[in-house]
Amino acid sequence: GAGVSQSPSNKVTEKGKDVELRCDPISGHTALYWYRQSLGQGLEFLIYFQGNSAPDKSGLPSDRFSAERTGGSVSTLTIQRTQQEDSAVYLCASSLEASSPDTQYFGPGTRLTVL
Amino acid sequence: AQKVTQAQTEISVVEKEDVTLDCVYETRDTTYYLFWYKQPPSGELVFLIRRNSFDEQNEISGRYSWNFQKSTSSFNFTITASQVVDSAVYFCAFAGGTSYGKLTFGQGTILTVHP
Repeated sequence: GAGVSQSPSNKVTEKGKDVELRCDPISGHTALYWYRQSLGQGLEFLIYFQGNSAPDKSGLPSDRFSAERTGGSVSTLTIQRTQQEDSAVYLCASSLEASSPDTQYFGPGTRLTVL
Repeated sequence: AQKVTQAQTEISVVEKEDVTLDCVYETRDTTYYLFWYKQPPSGELVFLIRRNSFDEQNEISGRYSWNFQKSTSSFNFTITASQVVDSAVYFCAFAGGTSYGKLTFGQGTILTVHP
């Protein structure tokens, strides 16, 4: 079946602009996760959603970052007033649920470049 | 807080050599899960294995094997008879405590297999 999909695959933006990154999880997966991969910081957890529960936002680096998940499926990660340090690959993952934990399956990522 | 250490930043081997990737973790949790992921040049993280803290049995899957030792907090990964297609970045990850949704990743080991 189809895996996790993310769009766009690449995004170049100017400092100060807002960006939206999209993630489409594997069908039937109730948990969805966002991570960031950068040269300096490695792979970092940002946020996860589990069903209808309140999301765990503990990894978001600042209030410029937010995410929502509509209808328990597609998620959008929004970065407002982008800064150059936001340049990274943003990875989305999904799993059957978050509580076990179930194995997280990752998408191909969105490479964000902030000029 | 949990911590995952992959001390080997880069490893270079010649095809058909065996290679072991080290992973050491720190935690106070009694129940936790350990993972290995592979990130080939294409960039997508590929799940390899999940192991829970109560199962110290070693696992073998084809040319891959994993050695989990709670006494030394290690979860090492061995590739037997390495092949060029094994060239990738390999990540060890941890999930535990009340934060099953968050994977804590090691810094990764870059494996290059030369023909």
